[in-house]
Amino acid sequence: SYVLTQPPSVAVSPGQTASISCSGEKLGEKYACWYQQRPGQSPILIIYQDDQRPSGIPERFSGSNSGNTATLTISETQTMDEATYYCQAWDSTTGVFGTGTEVTVL
Amino acid sequence: EVQLVQSGAEVKKPGESLKISCKGSENSFTTHWIAWVRQMPGKGLEWMGIKYPAESRARYSPSFQGQVTMSADKSINTAYLQWTSLKASDTAMYFCAAGGSHPGIDYWGQGTLVTVSS
Repeated sequence: SYVLTQPPSVAVSPGQTASISCSGEKLGEKYACWYQQRPGQSPILIIYQDDQRPSGIPERFSGSNSGNTATLTISETQTMDEATYYCQAWDSTTGVFGTGTEVTVL
Repeated sequence: EVQLVQSGAEVKKPGESLKISCKGSENSFTTHWIAWVRQMPGKGLEWMGIKYPAESRARYSPSFQGQVTMSADKSINTAYLQWTSLKASDTAMYFCAAGGSHPGIDYWGQGTLVTVSS
């Protein structure tokens, strides 16, 4: 089955840029999404179709996808961005989540 | 916008059966696919399966095939996830989720915590 691999954790200083990778075989040939999940909450969609932001998602969140890697970039990171981030793609007609990356802002 | 409201937390014993529900806003299940997602304590998100509105049967991820059954009653805008014989390893938070306008999950339920313990 299809596997998406993310780094377990990323640390970033407030105001700096955080980049989170998501690796999978020929991932660039699929659409990638990204979700943010804060502790005790349901996930929310922050990027779909590689680089599109849903209404209400701040512009500091951006995405790209090429080759075997999709990347979520958080610019001017704020303390409220502390959360776990998951990538997601489709394997045939079912979804697959990445392993998740915990972002710490310190 | 689609609202998804899930049934409340459950505490069950190993071997018992269980059916949890996810009620959507009007007509949501005729225009959106519904997925179920598992999150074990302290762990990541796992895609369990998906039910497309035009299909009678759900499609399951390999790890969940034969372990659970997903169903939906469009007439009452409600999706279900059921087990016939629970195991302790089924202890987790279960989310229902919906999408359809693009390949991503737009809407999430609040989650149902299932605890299986003797």
